[in-house]
Amino acid sequence: DTGVSQDPRHKITKRGQNVTFRCDPISEHNRLYWYRQTLGQGPEFLTYFQNEAQLEKSRLLSDRFSAERPKGSFSTLEIQRTEQGDSAMYLCASSPQTGRSGSPLHFGNGTRLTVT
Amino acid sequence: ELKVEQNPLFLSMQEGKNYTIYCNYSTTSDRLYWYRQDPGKSLESLFVLLSNGAVKQEGRLMASLDTKARLSTLHITAAVHDLSATYFCAVDMKTSYGKLTFGQGTILTVHP
Repeated sequence: DTGVSQDPRHKITKRGQNVTFRCDPISEHNRLYWYRQTLGQGPEFLTYFQNEAQLEKSRLLSDRFSAERPKGSFSTLEIQRTEQGDSAMYLCASSPQTGRSGSPLHFGNGTRLTVT
Repeated sequence: ELKVEQNPLFLSMQEGKNYTIYCNYSTTSDRLYWYRQDPGKSLESLFVLLSNGAVKQEGRLMASLDTKARLSTLHITAAVHDLSATYFCAVDMKTSYGKLTFGQGTILTVHP
């Protein structure tokens, strides 16, 4: 169990540019989540996948955001035409399929995005 | 809309003292989670509470859940400096496992 891995750790971009982040979940977990955390706040849910299917998207996820999980393995989160308000920590998490076992979400170290 | 509120938001403690962090949530929930976050780091799972009356303990931390009151507590016993961190509670619903709604977090600082 190598944990949830995210890349890059930090990204600085200029307003209007596109950025893409990658998340590699724990290998036996078939659920993958994206959250966003701004300074001094708790994380906010963005979207999640079960295997390759994207099952839910938050209304926070504008049409400039898109996430994919091809083949149900790693996932990418792309932000097009970045805005300064997109500056945040983007966290990826993974879990087994069901919560009945009481499994928590396992979070990665996050990608900190700064839009200048 | 599910809402989660923690108090206090800031907690300054002396080493050796006891204190409790409270987490209230607005609607019936099936699972309650406690996470710890160190500055600049990700979230570390502490506890998952699944049923009314559940109590879990790990070291100096003990978490409990009262689903009727929609309240969870995180009790700190004989605090030590290493417990300084931000603590979050979060809840999700049976129909949306993993779609967590987090509280604002409690910033805990333990002084010598």
